[in-house]
Amino acid sequence: LAKTTQPISMDSYEGQEVNITCSHNNIATNDYITWYQQFPSQGPRFIIQGYKTKVTNEVASLFIPADRKSSTLSLPRVSLSDTAVYYCLVGDAGYGGSQGNLIFGKGTKLSVKP
Amino acid sequence: NAGVMQNPRHLVRRRGQEARLRCSPMKGHSHVYWYRQLPEEGLKFMVYLQKENIIDESGMPKERFSAEFPKEGPSILRIQQVVRGDSAAYFCASSPRLAGGSSYNEQFFGPGTRLTVL
Repeated sequence: LAKTTQPISMDSYEGQEVNITCSHNNIATNDYITWYQQFPSQGPRFIIQGYKTKVTNEVASLFIPADRKSSTLSLPRVSLSDTAVYYCLVGDAGYGGSQGNLIFGKGTKLSVKP
Repeated sequence: NAGVMQNPRHLVRRRGQEARLRCSPMKGHSHVYWYRQLPEEGLKFMVYLQKENIIDESGMPKERFSAEFPKEGPSILRIQQVVRGDSAAYFCASSPRLAGGSSYNEQFFGPGTRLTVL
């Protein structure tokens, strides 16, 4: 399973765009890139997933370069409520009938200030 | 459709006692996963179950820990003779039947049970 590296923490201010980059140099051909968000005292919540290029939903965008060795989660115009830990996961877990258990790193602790 | 439910939300046990954590998956979900999270750490996979079957328990300690997902009722994570090192947040997640092909089987997490061992 590909190992991921992401910053331990990031600070931002309300209204700014936040970009969190995740490195996954050993990503395999069948691996997808998935981001989860975890608020204090809550379970993680799926945000977005992609394989290559760009994916956008109502919450975030995910940018994946052609070599797929990294990815960037982009949160537009963050608010105080976006303060959370963001996890980058790489694997085929849950896709195409695979086993499904997720591998979490330590994540990036995002603090949004007023 | 109610989300994944876990109870109790907080559980305090003394060393040597038993802890029972319950998880009711989302309606229609037949796959349950248990994870453990220590402070300032990411979640660590423990066990993956389907109804009446343990599919993967590679992340579960060999002793004192057991899990079940009976035909009727919630999934249970049982910790016997708890020690202080068992203090953590335990999360349960559920997902629908694996569809295969190009569909992603998202996991939905419950609020967790915070176990404190005195």
